[in-house]
Amino acid sequence: GQQVMQIPQYQHVQEGEDFTTYCNSSTTLSNIQWYKQRPGGHPVFLIQLVKSGEVKKQKRLTFQFGEAKKNSSLHITATQTTDVGTYFCAGNTGNQFYFGTGTSLTVIP
Amino acid sequence: EAGVAQSPRYKIIEKRQSVAFWCNPISGHATLYWYQQILGQGPKLLIQFQNNGVVDDSQLPKDRFSAERLKGVDSTLKIQPAKLEDSAVYLCASSLKGLNTGELFFGEGSRLTVL
Repeated sequence: GQQVMQIPQYQHVQEGEDFTTYCNSSTTLSNIQWYKQRPGGHPVFLIQLVKSGEVKKQKRLTFQFGEAKKNSSLHITATQTTDVGTYFCAGNTGNQFYFGTGTSLTVIP
Repeated sequence: EAGVAQSPRYKIIEKRQSVAFWCNPISGHATLYWYQQILGQGPKLLIQFQNNGVVDDSQLPKDRFSAERLKGVDSTLKIQPAKLEDSAVYLCASSLKGLNTGELFFGEGSRLTVL
């Protein structure tokens, strides 16, 4: 069945360091979304990527969608303590969104 | 704009008991989703409604879970009887565009503990 995996599962970084999480799907996706979930909170939408090879930036966050539309990445430049949380990708096959396993980011001040 | 409302926020029950969760989506959002999020995992879709019709319930354990959205607005998710493995946060989400094309707006969730 459809699987969306993310690596790493956990990441601890010093404040100011960069962070990247990778999302891989077993099947081709029609689009992919990224969400952030703070500890004890609910997922909050960050962005949606639709086109093959698409790159989008939001301040210190850079999102990429792979050429084959099977993988995606989120890169955060110069992490801040406010970036703490779990980042989920959600891959859309056209029938439903499959959420990834998530990457939990801890930022050490 | 009011967000997605869910209640109760917390519920503790014993196994074999029943529980119901309520969700009121953002006004005008045609699509409503119920997700189950077990601690440390990503949200897993249980059921998706478009207005008052079911779009996808393939991952809903229908022997014990049921959901309805009678008037195409608010929705109720019921578990009867509950099992220990049902302990999770039940997240309701809604979207404007629907059918997996738009941003999902999540509620705060209902945390269920089954003892």
